[in-house]
Amino acid sequence: GNSVTQMEGPVTLSEEAFLTINCTYTATGYPSLFWYVQYPGEGLQLLLKATKADDKGSNKGFEATYRKETTSFHLEKGSVQVSDSAVYFCALSEGDDKIIFGKGTRLHILP
Amino acid sequence: DTEVTQTPKHLVMGMTNKKSLKCEQHMGHRAMYWYKQKAKKPPELMFVYSYEKLSINESVPSRFSPECPNSSLLNLHLHALQPEDSALYLCASSKRGELDNEQFFGPGTRLTVL
Repeated sequence: GNSVTQMEGPVTLSEEAFLTINCTYTATGYPSLFWYVQYPGEGLQLLLKATKADDKGSNKGFEATYRKETTSFHLEKGSVQVSDSAVYFCALSEGDDKIIFGKGTRLHILP
Repeated sequence: DTEVTQTPKHLVMGMTNKKSLKCEQHMGHRAMYWYKQKAKKPPELMFVYSYEKLSINESVPSRFSPECPNSSLLNLHLHALQPEDSALYLCASSKRGELDNEQFFGPGTRLTVL
């Protein structure tokens, strides 16, 4: 079946550090891939998405590239801020009603 | 309007109470979802409504009863809950017929069952 695997963390970085959160997936078809972010006490927000191989999603300085050959969708940001502290979920969808979420990565940014 | 709204924000109820959670969206989306999220876990799908009809029930106990009165509203009726049902309940919506199934989430209702 379909699945998403991501580093669970917590990940602790200093402000302005480079961020990578790894995400790999298993899917039978050609899924769309997402990164959702959940700030403390809030619901999930879509951070970025990619719908086909080699697409790059980007938003708020975050980027992720859909790599079919390595079945990966790693999240990167060049310089993190304290306000980026949150839980990040990698997810996939094959166009039906279900989204498969990874377990989430908790990110702490220290000032 | 690109928001999904949920009320109430917080709810405390006893095991014999009956309460309802409400969700609303005005984006013209025709699919709506209920998720349950426990602390430090990803959301777990409970129900999906597609064109106001229940299309997926992920073997949820009958003490949770969903209702979709119209294309903009989704309710979750709660009755005789257990303390382990305490969680954040998230509503989401999406267009139908879109390959990527991007879902828009509400802020959630934090439920505590005493």
